[in-house]
Amino acid sequence: NAGVTQTPKFQVLKTGQSMTLQCAQDMNHEYMSWYRQDPGMGLRLIHYSVGAGITDQGEVPNGYNVSRSTTEDFPLRLLSAAPSQTSVYFCASTGNSYEQYFGPGTRLTVT
Amino acid sequence: AQRVTQPEKLLSVFKGAPVELKCNYSYSGSPELFWYVQYSRQRLQLLLRHISRESIKGFTADLNKGETSFHLKKPFAQEEDSAMYYCALTGNTPLVFGKGTRLSVIA
Repeated sequence: NAGVTQTPKFQVLKTGQSMTLQCAQDMNHEYMSWYRQDPGMGLRLIHYSVGAGITDQGEVPNGYNVSRSTTEDFPLRLLSAAPSQTSVYFCASTGNSYEQYFGPGTRLTVT
Repeated sequence: AQRVTQPEKLLSVFKGAPVELKCNYSYSGSPELFWYVQYSRQRLQLLLRHISRESIKGFTADLNKGETSFHLKKPFAQEEDSAMYYCALTGNTPLVFGKGTRLSVIA
């Protein structure tokens, strides 16, 4: 049981490049989320999904897209990277009692 | 709107001293409240939740609905408690996190 996995662990992008951050979970959780973590800002919700085929925006969705074609996978796409998107990104899935299980994070730098 | 406030960005205590990390919330219904901990460069992990009323690693937290607070306490801090602590709230909606408090335990 791997829990929540994320790839890559580290990524450096140039401004304007696009990329996809991968997230997968093997706990059959319906609810998954993406957060970004910035110093002094805590965790801010980017997008979330309550099940396959259903996604919704969080607090800071601009510049990001998500899709949920399966229960297991919830990729986050950066459409055109900007320096303001330099951050640590965490994917999470939510258990039956609302507790969240986090992935190890992706540290993204945009130059 | 639901909101979680952690008023202290940084809390430094000496080893063996009591610790209290403050958390206040705003929510109109009956919330589920959590404390998450993040050790250096690791993923966040659940520390405890109000509904279970258990003690994890010596930490406890009591939900005070009158004061809308869920402060995290430990009677004797240990060096390994140094970490970021996040209070979080859900009411059948996406989990909302506070901005976190960095606890530094000084030997």
